[in-house]
Amino acid sequence: DIVMTQSPDSLAVSLGERATINCKSSQSVLSSSNNKNYLAWYQQKPGQPPKVLLYWASTPESGVPDRFSGSGSGTDFTLTISSLQAEDVAVYYCQQYYSTPYTFGQGTKLEIK
Amino acid sequence: QVQLQESGPGLVKPSETLSLTCSVSGGSVSSASYYWNWIRQPPGKGLEWIGYIYYSGTTKYNPSLKSRVTISLDTSKNQFSLKLSSVTAADTAVYYCASKIPSGWFDPWGQGTPVTVSS
Repeated sequence: DIVMTQSPDSLAVSLGERATINCKSSQSVLSSSNNKNYLAWYQQKPGQPPKVLLYWASTPESGVPDRFSGSGSGTDFTLTISSLQAEDVAVYYCQQYYSTPYTFGQGTKLEIK
Repeated sequence: QVQLQESGPGLVKPSETLSLTCSVSGGSVSSASYYWNWIRQPPGKGLEWIGYIYYSGTTKYNPSLKSRVTISLDTSKNQFSLKLSSVTAADTAVYYCASKIPSGWFDPWGQGTPVTVSS
């Protein structure tokens, strides 16, 4: 299984400031056949299902605010929120879809400082 | 746009079988465009993929649950189902159904249905 490890487990950031969440996979999720990273980021608010924010590590889902961006390749990835808004309080998960069993990071809880 | 809705008992006794159904609208479970998945989330914890079924009937399960899981399709009702046998308290979770394009991510998800295993 590919183990996904996020850091930190929780994060408090002031409104308008940058938030950065890291995700590391135990093996590469970069496909040599298409040069794509099989990595997605999700946002989950209380009482709601997860919602995809980014796929292929850095491609934003339609409708996602442009303050959300993703970077990285291979085994190391980052989700950045450039200017934190109150509505961004949530738990964020990375997930690999490179191979089964599909696996998620343990989640990072983002709060307002 | 595909929409998914889970249904089933909210309380299951230990050692019994958990049975849930996901109703699909805006798309067909007979379509080759999607894989149909079950994912669960224990209270206050992270997400665990349970398995998927494809329109052809092909299934893939998480090895951690494989011996207890069955996912099936009902094309006449445009639904797919989850059965998890011999449940224990560790199976208490919110269960989500979700679609996934081939080689893709989970989107969309159903709202989730909570299941408690207790006598």
